[in-house]
Amino acid sequence: QVQLQESGPGLVKPSQTLSLTCAVSGGSIASGASYWTWIRQSPGKGLEWIAYIYYIGSTYYNPSLKSRVTISFDTNYQFSLRLTSVTAADTAVYYCARGDSDFDVAFDVWGPGTAVTVSS
Amino acid sequence: QSALTQPASVSGSPGQSITISCSGTSSDVGGHNYVSWYQQHPGQAPKLLIYGVFNRPSEISDRFSGSKSANTASLTISGLQAEDEADYFCSSFTTSSTLVFGSGTKVTVL
Repeated sequence: QVQLQESGPGLVKPSQTLSLTCAVSGGSIASGASYWTWIRQSPGKGLEWIAYIYYIGSTYYNPSLKSRVTISFDTNYQFSLRLTSVTAADTAVYYCARGDSDFDVAFDVWGPGTAVTVSS
Repeated sequence: QSALTQPASVSGSPGQSITISCSGTSSDVGGHNYVSWYQQHPGQAPKLLIYGVFNRPSEISDRFSGSKSANTASLTISGLQAEDEADYFCSSFTTSSTLVFGSGTKVTVL
């Protein structure tokens, strides 16, 4: 059973770069036709899709964030998100998730989320 | 891309059925059948309820069902239970291979 665990700094200063990692256990990134994804949720708000990377390495980004975001594989068991020039609007809980082709790209596995606050 | 439109809140009494709508465009909900629904309890990560418009993961109760007509998808919860009180989000793949979520609906069990 695949499990995901996010890691992040917790607190980031405005204008800095936010770096997050997602550790994959119980399976590997290359083990299936999956979409490895980052999603965030601002306090009291809805879900916002940030980006996904297909298991073969192709990447897709939310058009509203595309200029500031990079998603990548670090190893066969970890993928990452970089978000540059952060502002208070980037304060959110960040989730990594797996979109599986067996589930029509729906997200069947989620990490517990990591809270990120942007503040000086 | 704009968030899909959901009602902010829906309520019902135990045992009743409620339906949550998710309105999009021909570029997302109406463009294909990659529509999914998620349940989120406070402080928890979302949980997949429905994928491919109407399919349920094996562990999800058949009280949850999905459908779609044109640019609007719907989630119906039958036999409403106290544990169904949560936030619900729809999601759709788009014709640009991006993804968009709905604005979210808070379900209250009266």
